[in-house]
Amino acid sequence: AQSVSQHNHHVILSEAASLELGCNYSYGGTVNLFWYVQYPGQHLQLLLKYFSGDPLVKGIKGFEAEFIKSKFSFNLRKPSVQWSDTAEYFCAVGKAAGNKLTFGGGTRVLVKP
Amino acid sequence: SAVISQKPSRDICQRGTSLTIQCQVDSQVTMMFWYRQQPGQSLTLIATANQGSEATYESGFVIDKFPISRPNLTFSTLTVSNMSPEDSSIYLCSVDGLTQLNTEAFFGQGTRLTVV
Repeated sequence: AQSVSQHNHHVILSEAASLELGCNYSYGGTVNLFWYVQYPGQHLQLLLKYFSGDPLVKGIKGFEAEFIKSKFSFNLRKPSVQWSDTAEYFCAVGKAAGNKLTFGGGTRVLVKP
Repeated sequence: SAVISQKPSRDICQRGTSLTIQCQVDSQVTMMFWYRQQPGQSLTLIATANQGSEATYESGFVIDKFPISRPNLTFSTLTVSNMSPEDSSIYLCSVDGLTQLNTEAFFGQGTRLTVV
Protein backbone atom coordinates (compact mmCIF):
# COMPACT_ATOMS: atom_id res chain seq x y z
CA ALA A 1 0.00 0.00 0.00
CA GLN A 2 1.19 3.47 -0.73
CA SER A 3 2.08 5.86 2.06
CA VAL A 4 2.78 9.57 2.25
CA SER A 5 5.14 11.15 4.75
CA GLN A 6 5.32 14.78 5.71
CA HIS A 7 8.47 15.51 7.60
CA ASN A 8 7.34 18.35 9.81
CA HIS A 9 4.29 18.26 12.02
CA HIS A 10 4.57 21.87 13.12
CA VAL A 11 6.37 24.83 11.61
CA ILE A 12 6.55 28.28 13.14
CA LEU A 13 8.05 31.14 11.22
CA SER A 14 7.86 34.89 10.85
CA GLU A 15 6.32 36.85 8.03
CA ALA A 16 8.55 37.20 4.96
CA ALA A 17 10.44 34.04 5.84
CA SER A 18 10.69 31.29 3.27
CA LEU A 19 8.72 28.09 3.70
CA GLU A 20 9.51 24.58 2.53
CA LEU A 21 7.43 21.58 3.50
CA GLY A 22 8.69 18.12 2.69
CA CYS A 23 6.58 15.31 1.26
CA ASN A 24 7.69 11.82 0.29
CA TYR A 25 5.57 8.98 -1.00
CA SER A 26 6.15 5.28 -1.37
CA TYR A 27 4.16 4.28 -4.45
CA GLY A 28 6.32 3.31 -7.42
CA GLY A 29 3.83 3.62 -10.25
CA THR A 30 2.37 6.63 -11.99
CA VAL A 31 0.93 9.06 -9.49
CA ASN A 32 -0.90 12.33 -9.28
CA LEU A 33 0.41 14.62 -6.57
CA PHE A 34 -1.44 17.30 -4.66
CA TRP A 35 -1.00 19.84 -1.94
CA TYR A 36 -4.12 20.87 -0.09
CA VAL A 37 -4.48 23.60 2.49
CA GLN A 38 -6.96 23.87 5.33
CA TYR A 39 -7.29 27.33 6.82
CA PRO A 40 -8.70 27.53 10.34
CA GLY A 41 -12.38 26.70 10.29
CA GLN A 42 -12.49 26.15 6.55
CA HIS A 43 -12.61 23.16 4.27
CA LEU A 44 -9.78 21.67 2.27
CA GLN A 45 -8.68 23.67 -0.73
CA LEU A 46 -6.34 22.68 -3.51
CA LEU A 47 -3.07 24.62 -3.61
CA LEU A 48 -1.52 22.89 -6.58
CA LYS A 49 -1.33 19.59 -8.40
CA TYR A 50 1.04 17.62 -10.58
CA PHE A 51 -0.05 15.09 -13.19
CA SER A 52 2.76 15.15 -15.75
CA GLY A 53 5.06 17.52 -17.62
CA ASP A 54 7.11 20.25 -15.99
CA PRO A 55 8.07 18.96 -12.55
CA LEU A 56 7.99 22.48 -11.13
CA VAL A 57 4.38 23.32 -10.50
CA LYS A 58 3.03 26.71 -9.60
CA GLY A 59 -0.12 27.01 -7.57
CA ILE A 60 -2.25 29.66 -5.99
CA LYS A 61 -1.11 32.28 -3.49
CA GLY A 62 2.53 32.14 -4.56
CA PHE A 63 3.07 28.48 -3.71
CA GLU A 64 5.06 26.10 -5.86
CA ALA A 65 6.12 22.50 -5.61
CA GLU A 66 8.77 20.41 -7.26
CA PHE A 67 8.31 16.77 -8.21
CA ILE A 68 11.56 14.81 -8.01
CA LYS A 69 10.76 11.35 -9.27
CA SER A 70 14.07 9.80 -8.23
CA LYS A 71 13.47 10.91 -4.65
CA PHE A 72 9.72 10.19 -4.60
CA SER A 73 9.31 13.71 -3.32
CA PHE A 74 6.93 16.60 -3.90
CA ASN A 75 8.07 19.44 -1.66
CA LEU A 76 6.05 22.61 -1.26
CA ARG A 77 7.70 26.02 -1.21
CA LYS A 78 6.84 29.66 -0.80
CA PRO A 79 9.60 32.30 -0.92
CA SER A 80 7.94 34.76 1.46
CA VAL A 81 5.07 33.81 3.73
CA GLN A 82 2.33 36.01 5.09
CA TRP A 83 0.35 35.82 8.29
CA SER A 84 -2.60 34.61 6.21
CA ASP A 85 -0.65 31.47 5.28
CA THR A 86 -1.28 30.14 8.76
CA ALA A 87 -3.00 26.85 8.06
CA GLU A 88 -2.56 23.11 7.92
CA TYR A 89 -1.00 21.74 4.75
CA PHE A 90 -1.59 18.25 3.43
CA CYS A 91 0.31 16.41 0.77
CA ALA A 92 -1.74 13.78 -1.06
CA VAL A 93 -1.02 11.14 -3.65
CA GLY A 94 -3.46 9.51 -6.02
CA LYS A 95 -2.93 6.75 -8.50
CA ALA A 96 -3.32 7.61 -12.15
CA ALA A 97 -6.89 6.38 -12.33
CA GLY A 98 -9.43 7.94 -10.05
CA ASN A 99 -9.00 10.10 -7.03
CA LYS A 100 -8.60 7.66 -4.19
CA LEU A 101 -6.14 9.80 -2.29
CA THR A 102 -3.63 8.90 0.36
CA PHE A 103 -2.84 11.84 2.59
CA GLY A 104 0.23 12.69 4.56
CA GLY A 105 -0.07 13.48 8.24
CA GLY A 106 -0.30 17.21 7.64
CA THR A 107 1.90 20.10 8.72
CA ARG A 108 0.56 22.89 10.85
CA VAL A 109 2.15 26.17 9.84
CA LEU A 110 1.97 29.19 12.09
CA VAL A 111 3.17 32.48 10.66
CA LYS A 112 3.84 35.09 13.29
CA PRO A 113 3.09 38.68 12.26
CA SER B 1 -15.23 23.01 -10.15
CA ALA B 2 -17.75 21.18 -8.02
CA VAL B 3 -19.79 22.56 -5.14
CA ILE B 4 -20.30 20.00 -2.43
CA SER B 5 -22.76 20.44 0.41
CA GLN B 6 -22.69 18.31 3.50
CA LYS B 7 -25.35 18.04 6.15
CA PRO B 8 -25.19 18.34 9.07
CA SER B 9 -22.15 20.54 9.46
CA ARG B 10 -21.76 19.37 13.04
CA ASP B 11 -23.55 17.23 15.59
CA ILE B 12 -23.20 15.94 19.10
CA CYS B 13 -24.54 12.43 19.51
CA GLN B 14 -25.04 9.92 22.28
CA ARG B 15 -23.01 6.74 22.19
CA GLY B 16 -24.87 3.80 20.75
CA THR B 17 -26.88 5.92 18.33
CA SER B 18 -26.38 6.38 14.60
CA LEU B 19 -25.92 9.47 12.45
CA THR B 20 -26.45 9.77 8.72
CA ILE B 21 -24.41 12.38 6.88
CA GLN B 22 -25.59 13.64 3.53
CA CYS B 23 -23.44 14.79 0.62
CA GLN B 24 -24.94 16.67 -2.31
CA VAL B 25 -22.97 17.69 -5.41
CA ASP B 26 -24.06 20.29 -7.90
CA SER B 27 -22.97 18.15 -10.87
CA GLN B 28 -23.13 14.51 -11.78
CA VAL B 29 -19.99 12.66 -10.76
CA THR B 30 -18.93 9.08 -11.19
CA MET B 31 -17.07 8.51 -7.97
CA MET B 32 -17.67 9.87 -4.52
CA PHE B 33 -15.40 9.26 -1.56
CA TRP B 34 -15.83 9.43 2.19
CA TYR B 35 -12.91 10.36 4.40
CA ARG B 36 -12.43 10.61 8.14
CA GLN B 37 -10.18 13.11 9.89
CA GLN B 38 -9.71 12.16 13.51
CA PRO B 39 -8.64 14.88 15.95
CA GLY B 40 -5.11 15.99 15.25
CA GLN B 41 -4.67 13.51 12.43
CA SER B 42 -4.73 13.43 8.68
CA LEU B 43 -7.48 12.26 6.37
CA THR B 44 -8.13 8.57 5.97
CA LEU B 45 -10.25 7.15 3.19
CA ILE B 46 -13.23 5.18 4.49
CA ALA B 47 -14.80 4.04 1.25
CA THR B 48 -15.55 4.77 -2.37
CA ALA B 49 -19.21 5.14 -3.24
CA ASN B 50 -20.19 4.24 -6.79
CA GLN B 51 -23.65 4.71 -8.20
CA GLY B 52 -25.33 1.42 -8.96
CA SER B 53 -23.00 -0.80 -6.97
CA GLU B 54 -21.97 -1.41 -3.40
CA ALA B 55 -19.39 0.84 -1.85
CA THR B 56 -15.79 -0.31 -1.68
CA TYR B 57 -14.34 -0.12 1.82
CA GLU B 58 -10.74 0.42 2.80
CA SER B 59 -8.92 -1.76 5.25
CA GLY B 60 -10.19 -1.20 8.77
CA PHE B 61 -13.64 -0.01 7.73
CA VAL B 62 -16.70 -2.23 7.35
CA ILE B 63 -20.13 -1.81 5.90
CA ASP B 64 -21.94 -2.66 9.13
CA LYS B 65 -20.26 0.26 10.88
CA PHE B 66 -20.29 2.72 7.97
CA PRO B 67 -23.13 1.89 5.59
CA ILE B 68 -23.11 4.04 2.49
CA SER B 69 -25.82 4.80 -0.03
CA ARG B 70 -25.38 6.22 -3.52
CA PRO B 71 -28.83 6.46 -5.06
CA ASN B 72 -27.82 8.73 -7.95
CA LEU B 73 -24.90 10.60 -9.48
CA THR B 74 -25.22 13.70 -7.30
CA PHE B 75 -25.94 12.33 -3.83
CA SER B 76 -24.50 9.99 -1.22
CA THR B 77 -24.96 9.28 2.46
CA LEU B 78 -22.63 7.87 5.08
CA THR B 79 -24.04 6.47 8.29
CA VAL B 80 -21.91 6.13 11.39
CA SER B 81 -23.58 3.30 13.30
CA ASN B 82 -23.59 2.40 16.97
CA MET B 83 -21.33 5.33 17.73
CA SER B 84 -18.66 5.43 20.39
CA PRO B 85 -16.44 8.34 21.46
CA GLU B 86 -13.72 6.96 19.17
CA ASP B 87 -15.93 7.89 16.22
CA SER B 88 -15.60 11.57 17.07
CA SER B 89 -14.07 12.97 13.90
CA ILE B 90 -14.64 15.18 10.93
CA TYR B 91 -16.21 13.23 8.09
CA LEU B 92 -15.63 14.58 4.60
CA CYS B 93 -17.22 13.86 1.29
CA SER B 94 -15.08 14.17 -1.82
CA VAL B 95 -15.76 13.81 -5.52
CA ASP B 96 -13.62 13.04 -8.51
CA GLY B 97 -12.78 15.65 -11.09
CA LEU B 98 -15.57 16.44 -13.46
CA THR B 99 -13.65 16.10 -16.69
CA GLN B 100 -11.37 13.46 -18.08
CA LEU B 101 -8.39 15.81 -17.90
CA ASN B 102 -9.06 17.13 -14.45
CA THR B 103 -8.30 14.63 -11.74
CA GLU B 104 -8.48 17.13 -8.93
CA ALA B 105 -10.56 16.06 -5.97
CA PHE B 106 -13.08 18.44 -4.44
CA PHE B 107 -14.10 18.32 -0.80
CA GLY B 108 -17.15 19.26 1.16
CA GLN B 109 -16.83 21.38 4.27
CA GLY B 110 -17.04 18.33 6.46
CA THR B 111 -19.27 17.14 9.28
CA ARG B 112 -17.80 17.54 12.73
CA LEU B 113 -19.12 14.70 14.87
CA THR B 114 -18.73 14.53 18.64
CA VAL B 115 -19.88 11.40 20.41
CA VAL B 116 -20.53 11.70 24.13
